[in-house]
Amino acid sequence: GESVGLHLPTLSVQEGDNSIINCAYSNSASDYFIWYKQESGKGPQFIIDIRSNMDKRQGQRVTVLLNKTVKHLSLQIAATQPGDSAVYFCAEGSGGSYIPTFGRGTSLIVHP
Amino acid sequence: SQTIHQWPATLVQPVGSPLSLECTVEGTSNPNLYWYRQAAGRGLQLLFYSVGIGQISSEVPQNLSASRPQDRQFILSSKKLLLSDSGFYLCAWSVTGADTQYFGPGTRLTVL
Repeated sequence: GESVGLHLPTLSVQEGDNSIINCAYSNSASDYFIWYKQESGKGPQFIIDIRSNMDKRQGQRVTVLLNKTVKHLSLQIAATQPGDSAVYFCAEGSGGSYIPTFGRGTSLIVHP
Repeated sequence: SQTIHQWPATLVQPVGSPLSLECTVEGTSNPNLYWYRQAAGRGLQLLFYSVGIGQISSEVPQNLSASRPQDRQFILSSKKLLLSDSGFYLCAWSVTGADTQYFGPGTRLTVL
């Protein structure tokens, strides 16, 4: 589905800080969640995913937390670096659906 | 490993001219294929998806069409471009029955 909105939410952090990007999803039947990173002028890049039978999953410098009770997903980036500056968006899917639903994205700006 | 290619990377076309964007995937068989459009500062709009050769589903009625002549080739076309067709076009693939989509580098289309 399409995300609508002319202005993306923005998160500004200092280099070295931890960043937390949030995403609210709407479909309680969603059982699969994905975080993407999109740098300017490039295609979205897969970061990490999580299934609904988990509430936390860790990758390299990233952690995804899932709260099914309030239908909330977050991406935590540890020791944020200037190269992390990008738009981050979540996607939700269910039952092997061909078409996930994408969130509208959050712009992360990391100041050196 | 799987890779996805799109070309051209950038394209400037006059209104009323035809369009052909190509996407190919390597390293996998029978992928689901997708075309998205992304306007500046906005989310992803699904245009078409395909679960097999010759099978195309359209999500948004418009002057674009898609074709899948080969298993790992997906083409986006138009007979006559409109100004509103300008945008960033992304091709993606996923494993049949799974939800994670992997995106190509995108094509920046400007219609003048």
